[in-house]
Amino acid sequence: NAGVTQTPKFQVLKTGQSMTLQCAQDMNHEYMSWYRQDPGMGLRLIHYSVGAGITDQGEVPNGYNVSRSTTEDFPLRLLSAAPSQTSVYFCASSPWGSSYEQYFGPGTRLTVT
Amino acid sequence: AQKVTQAQTEISVVEKEDVTLDCVYETRDTTYYLFWYKQPPSGELVFLIRRNSFDEQNEISGRYSWNFQKSTSSFNFTITASQVVDSAVYFCALAGDGNNRLAFGKGNQVVVIP
Repeated sequence: NAGVTQTPKFQVLKTGQSMTLQCAQDMNHEYMSWYRQDPGMGLRLIHYSVGAGITDQGEVPNGYNVSRSTTEDFPLRLLSAAPSQTSVYFCASSPWGSSYEQYFGPGTRLTVT
Repeated sequence: AQKVTQAQTEISVVEKEDVTLDCVYETRDTTYYLFWYKQPPSGELVFLIRRNSFDEQNEISGRYSWNFQKSTSSFNFTITASQVVDSAVYFCALAGDGNNRLAFGKGNQVVVIP
């Protein structure tokens, strides 16, 4: 199993550009989520999904869109990048249920200039 | 809403010393789950332990141990006889009952000096 994969590993965008961060998992997990990590802030939840076709907002959803058309994939879209979105982004997945640990991808380091 | 507080931001210790990381949480749920994750300098997040709110037994795994005290809403983590490989950021996290949403603390940066 590849686990949770994320592409790209690094990305530099100019303000106003759009892009999609890709996330895929091969563990047939129902739950998938996106977090951003900023220095001194820990990880904050952006969006999450409890299954194909179902998504919801987390703590910091503004400026991001998600969709979940398959169990395996959960892309994160930045519609119009801003310098405040410079961060490291982690995708995670787990079986449904709060008792399960989440499996994290390797992260995408995004810089918006 | 769930909240996790890790007050110490950076902790430096000399190799072989013990280090304890404090985690204090807030939740209104009666059933909840607490986690610790390690983030080494390479950046990935590594799961260390999960504890549910009904299990207050302390746990030891090698040089790692965890002390869960419901009365003080704390889930502290101790590294005994620290090693350079323990240098990392450690996150405490909380999930409430019925959902997978994790609330993370801000993390403890542990630096082990050889």
